[in-house]
Amino acid sequence: QSVLTQPPSVSGAPGQRVTISCTGSSSNIGAGYDVHWYQQLPGTAPKLLIYGNSNRPSGVPDRFSGSKSGTSASLAITGLQAEDEADYYCQSYDSSLSEGVFGGGTKLTVL
Amino acid sequence: QVQLVQSGAEVKKPGASVKVSCKASGYTFTGYYMHWVRQAPGQGLEWMGWINPNSGGTNYAQKFQGRVTMTRDTSISTAYMELSRLRSDDTAVYYCARPRRPILTGYHRDFDYWGQGTLVTVSS
Repeated sequence: QSVLTQPPSVSGAPGQRVTISCTGSSSNIGAGYDVHWYQQLPGTAPKLLIYGNSNRPSGVPDRFSGSKSGTSASLAITGLQAEDEADYYCQSYDSSLSEGVFGGGTKLTVL
Repeated sequence: QVQLVQSGAEVKKPGASVKVSCKASGYTFTGYYMHWVRQAPGQGLEWMGWINPNSGGTNYAQKFQGRVTMTRDTSISTAYMELSRLRSDDTAVYYCARPRRPILTGYHRDFDYWGQGTLVTVSS
């Protein structure tokens, strides 16, 4: 049971927009700790997609965006492409655990 | 360019220990924390802890306290993660991960460079 809750799967057709939610609590996202997002393609290491809630590292397309409100955060992907099919993870810090925490991951399927 | 190169796959028996290495290049090794994250087959990511390569200070996830030891050798820019008293549910890919920001900033929670992963299989 992950501290941060993500939907197990989402799907969308090419060109569509999808969102992935990450729900936490008052000891992590709600306490003001930043949320980061990673993309993991099959058989590869995770890749930083969004840091500090809404910032994209150099090289990440602007089709990817992040937001945060209250005890939740979201990753939005617009103009869905076949190569976006991957697992996506949110990450934050939990003050009651004094540990970094990840969401359980969301598998994105491009139909 | 920044690279983290990890040691090869391991097969261990229950109760044994495993030590995974992570050799860093392309940046000042002592300038960035090193974190360890693992992923069991078909499962999500799990944070294990970090080491400050400059001071040797460590911080471990509660789940692994007493079983994990993170060390470093600054002369060869290499970090190590040793897990003892292995169980079958320790079977996973173990990653080292470097934070995006250096130690001096005091913020090290997002990771922009990852090792390729080391599969550790625990089986009798």
